[in-house]
Amino acid sequence: GDSVTQMEGPVTLSEEAFLTINCTYTATGYPSLFWYVQYPGEGLQLLLKATKADDKGSNKGFEATYRKETTSFHLEKGSVQVSDSAVYFCALSTNFGNEKLTFGTGTRLTIIP
Amino acid sequence: ETGVTQTPRHLVMGMTNKKSLKCEQHLGHNAMYWYKQSAKKPLELMFVYNFKEQTENNSVPSRFSPECPNSSHLFLHLHTLQPEDSALYLCASSQTRDFTYEQYFGPGTRLTVT
Repeated sequence: GDSVTQMEGPVTLSEEAFLTINCTYTATGYPSLFWYVQYPGEGLQLLLKATKADDKGSNKGFEATYRKETTSFHLEKGSVQVSDSAVYFCALSTNFGNEKLTFGTGTRLTIIP
Repeated sequence: ETGVTQTPRHLVMGMTNKKSLKCEQHLGHNAMYWYKQSAKKPLELMFVYNFKEQTENNSVPSRFSPECPNSSHLFLHLHTLQPEDSALYLCASSQTRDFTYEQYFGPGTRLTVT
């Protein structure tokens, strides 16, 4: 079955540091890939997505590239801010009219000033 | 401002109580979902409704009973819960007809079973 594996957290970085959160997946077919973010006390929000190989999703300074050859979708940001502290979830959906998302376990990110 | 609202935001109930969680989406979506979020576990999909019809039940115990009267409203009826059911329950909605597979989440209901 489909699965998503994310790097274990928590991750603690200083402000303006470079961020990478690793995500790899296993799926049948050609999935769409997503990063969701959950700020404290809130639900999940879509951060970015990519629907086919080599697509790059980007939003709010975050980027992730769909790498079919390595089945990866790593999240990166060049300079993190304290406001980026949250839990980040990698997810996939297979494109066969299937409305389900498969999520990773989430990575808690804390940015210290 | 979220297009998906959930009430109540916090709920404490005893194991013999009956309560209901409510979700409403204002986005014109056709699919709605219930998820359970527990500490240190992946998000667990519980139920999926598409055009008011249940299309997924992930082996959820019968003490959780969903209801979807229309595409905008989703309920989760709770009875005789166990302490391990304490978690954050998230509702989500999506528009499946455009094949974007983006789900929009509500803020969740924090449930504590005593």
